[in-house]
Amino acid sequence: KAGVTQTPRYLIKTRGQQVTLSCSPISGHRSVSWYQQTPGQGLQFLFEYFSETQRNKGNFPGRFSGRQFSNSRSEMNVSTLELGDSALYLCASSLAGQGGNEQYFGPGTRLTVT
Amino acid sequence: AQTVTQSQPEMSVQEAETVTLSCTYDTSESDYYLFWYKQPPSRQMILVIRQEAYKQQNATENRFSVNFQKAAKSFSLKISDSQLGDAAMYFCALSGGYQKVTFGIGTKLQVIP
Repeated sequence: KAGVTQTPRYLIKTRGQQVTLSCSPISGHRSVSWYQQTPGQGLQFLFEYFSETQRNKGNFPGRFSGRQFSNSRSEMNVSTLELGDSALYLCASSLAGQGGNEQYFGPGTRLTVT
Repeated sequence: AQTVTQSQPEMSVQEAETVTLSCTYDTSESDYYLFWYKQPPSRQMILVIRQEAYKQQNATENRFSVNFQKAAKSFSLKISDSQLGDAAMYFCALSGGYQKVTFGIGTKLQVIP
């Protein structure tokens, strides 16, 4: 089975721009979660989608949004980029969502905001 | 709210020796799960070990085992016979019911040949 894939792998954007990141989960997985990883902060949960519905949301401003399509692929959008948005964005998929299930992580998208 | 604390930013261990990584947590849930994830340099994060809170027996996966102290809300990871490939960031994580998974800030493990 193919693993979780994320595109693009690297991205450089300018402050004020917007960006869209994509995540394709493992086939059959219905849950996709997004995390922001920065040094010293660990992984900060952004949101989880399950069967096209946002099931959980972290404490991030409304500039961060996401969606999930019927094939379980998910996109994350960040509008009006700020320097502090520079981070590694990870997505993870699981069969039935968070809770006690193992999450399978993608390689991440490294976003740099200049 | 649930929290996860990893108080060791960095640890080092000699190859073939044993090392223990610490993790404490807090949750109001009675049913929850604890995880250790490993993130090797420039590689994808993978699950190392998983513990269900209702199980008293400590989980074990080959050279990896946990010491789960429910009353103390402690969940440490022991790596035996450390290998060079164990060098990575290790994240402790907690999930209560269907709540979001909360991760600690990680412990960077260095393995010295």
